[in-house]
Parts: sequence; structure tokens; C-alpha cells
Amino acid sequence: GAVVSQHPSWVICKSGTSVKIECRSLDFQATTMFWYRQFPKQSLMLMATSNEGSKATYEQGVEKDKFLINHASLTLSTLTVTSAHPEDSSFYICSARVWSSYNEQFFGPGTRLTVL
Amino acid sequence: GENVEQHPSTLSVQEGDSAVIKCTYSDSASNYFPWYKQELGKRPQLIIDIRSNVGEKKDQRIAVTLNKTAKHFSLHITETQPEDSAVYFCAASFGANNLFFGTGTRLTVIP
Repeated sequence: GAVVSQHPSWVICKSGTSVKIECRSLDFQATTMFWYRQFPKQSLMLMATSNEGSKATYEQGVEKDKFLINHASLTLSTLTVTSAHPEDSSFYICSARVWSSYNEQFFGPGTRLTVL
Repeated sequence: GENVEQHPSTLSVQEGDSAVIKCTYSDSASNYFPWYKQELGKRPQLIIDIRSNVGEKKDQRIAVTLNKTAKHFSLHITETQPEDSAVYFCAASFGANNLFFGTGTRLTVIP
């Protein structure tokens, strides 16, 4: 149980284009999903918290107009990197929370974005 | 907000020896402490977690201890094997709030 999928697993795009990443909870409903960014040899940095049916909550320093998040259903959240630039190249990972008294999160396999 | 520190950043051990990774946290309200293992280019995998009402938890070769007074928790891996080589992250949270991650420990088990 608690399987999270992410698509695509990798993407290469030209500078200035937009890229959409999907995160799905396959066998449970996730009212909350999280989006992280991980640079090489670094920890996971929370970008935003995505709640189904409401606006995402962005962490300080993360541009909400650049990283568009949509959580339209209990099993799907999307992250769109708009007008991507080389500095946006990173490993993007989503996670979904299994609701309980505590904050168990299960991660997707990640999407490696390379912007040329 | 919560601040989680993790040490060491790298750790090399001989196969069969034990490995210990330590984390400290700043928010005394934090009550959930998971540990994740991440292999290169893959997703973090939850390997064990502990809640604030418990001082120690063990699962085969992996154990976690929690000292609420000192606000630190540790991951212990016994009888290490080469497949234990990975990056390990600790994290802390309070209730349904966000997880705050440590900076990671790269564990290398030398055959």
C-alpha cells in the first residue's frame, strides 16, 4: 500500500518552455501532497504543500507564479515549471501524506528535469 | 520553525560493523521522527519511524532511539551489509505539519 507514482521520470527541455510533472497516489486518497526539490548531494527542500481543492502553500523563496501547483483531485497533484531556465534543473520529488495521527509521507520516484 | 541537524555527513564502515547516525531538532513540540534511505537517483524510502511516546524502536537490524529531553534521535544499523550503502535522512514534524529534513548522511559499507 501507499504507492505514489510520478510522471515523467525524466525530461529535457529548452530554456523558456514549460514542463508539467504529475504526482499520483495509486492506492489511497491524499488530501495533502508535498513537492520537494533536491539538488545533487543535497537534502530535500520543501517547495510547497498542495491541498486538494485549495491553493498551494509555498515555502519562502519559492515563486508561486513560476512553480504552478494544481491539486484537482484526491489522487493527483501537478507541478508546472513555467518558463524553465537552466538553474531550474533539479530532481523534483512529490510525496503524499497518509492521514493518521502522525505525518507519514510516501515519496514518488522523482522527476529529473534538465533545462538546456 | 523546526531545525534539524544531522551528523555525520559521511560515514564509512566495514561490512558487519555497526553504523550510527545522529540528529537533533529544535522544536520541542515535534512528535514524529522518520528515517529515510535514498539510493542514487531514487526516491526516499521510509525505513523506520518513531513517535514521541516511545523511546526506542527496533526492526531487525535497524533501531531508532529518541531522547525527548535532549531533543535528539539516532539511527542504529547493526551487521551492516554493502546494500545498506545509501544516503540516509532524518526528519521531524509535529502532528500534521510539514516534515523538516536533516542534511543527510552518505553511508558507505566497505565489503
